[in-house]
Amino acid sequence: GAVVSQHPSWVICKSGTSVKIECRSLDFQATTMFWYRQFPKQSLMLMATSNEGSKATYEQGVEKDKFLINHASLTLSTLTVTSAHPEDSSFYICSARDVQRRGNEQFFGPGTRLTVL
Amino acid sequence: AQSVTQLGSHVSVSEGALVLLRCNYSSSVPPYLFWYVQYPNQGLQLLLKYTSAATLVKGINGFEAEFKKSETSFHLTKPSAHMSDAAEYFCAVSGKSGGGADGLTFGKGTHLIIQP
Repeated sequence: GAVVSQHPSWVICKSGTSVKIECRSLDFQATTMFWYRQFPKQSLMLMATSNEGSKATYEQGVEKDKFLINHASLTLSTLTVTSAHPEDSSFYICSARDVQRRGNEQFFGPGTRLTVL
Repeated sequence: AQSVTQLGSHVSVSEGALVLLRCNYSSSVPPYLFWYVQYPNQGLQLLLKYTSAATLVKGINGFEAEFKKSETSFHLTKPSAHMSDAAEYFCAVSGKSGGGADGLTFGKGTHLIIQP
């Protein structure tokens, strides 16, 4: 139980295009999902908190117009990187909370590696 | 604000030896602390967590960690290393409001190498 999936697992795109990454909780409802990014050999950095049915809360320094987050259902949150540039290349990881059954524990997806050419 | 410092980006131990991975934190609120493990090309898996109950926390795969408020530490240990323990380990502290309900602040990670 408590499985979180991400799609795609990796994506390569051209500079200037937009890329959408999906995060799904497969066997539980997640009112809150989190998006992180991880640069090579570095830590995970929280980008934003996504609450179902409301606007995402972005961490300081994260451009909300560049990283669009939508949490339209209790099992799906999407992150869209708009007008991607090579510096956006990174490993993007989502997590989801199963508040009903497991309190505040976060369950992580396997990550999506984005490469912008 | 919260921060996490993991001492040693790489730790190498012999199979069967004690594993000690160090984590120090700072937090403006009572912290919730976590240790996660990440295997190559996989997501993060929770090893254990401290949520203000017992200071010695036991987790999966024989790992445990002790919360020491006076030292602001939450070091991860395992008495006897196994080859399958080779992975990346992350220490994390809960976010702004504490209680584990916010996004996590992670340390930079420690790569554990097990020598046969």
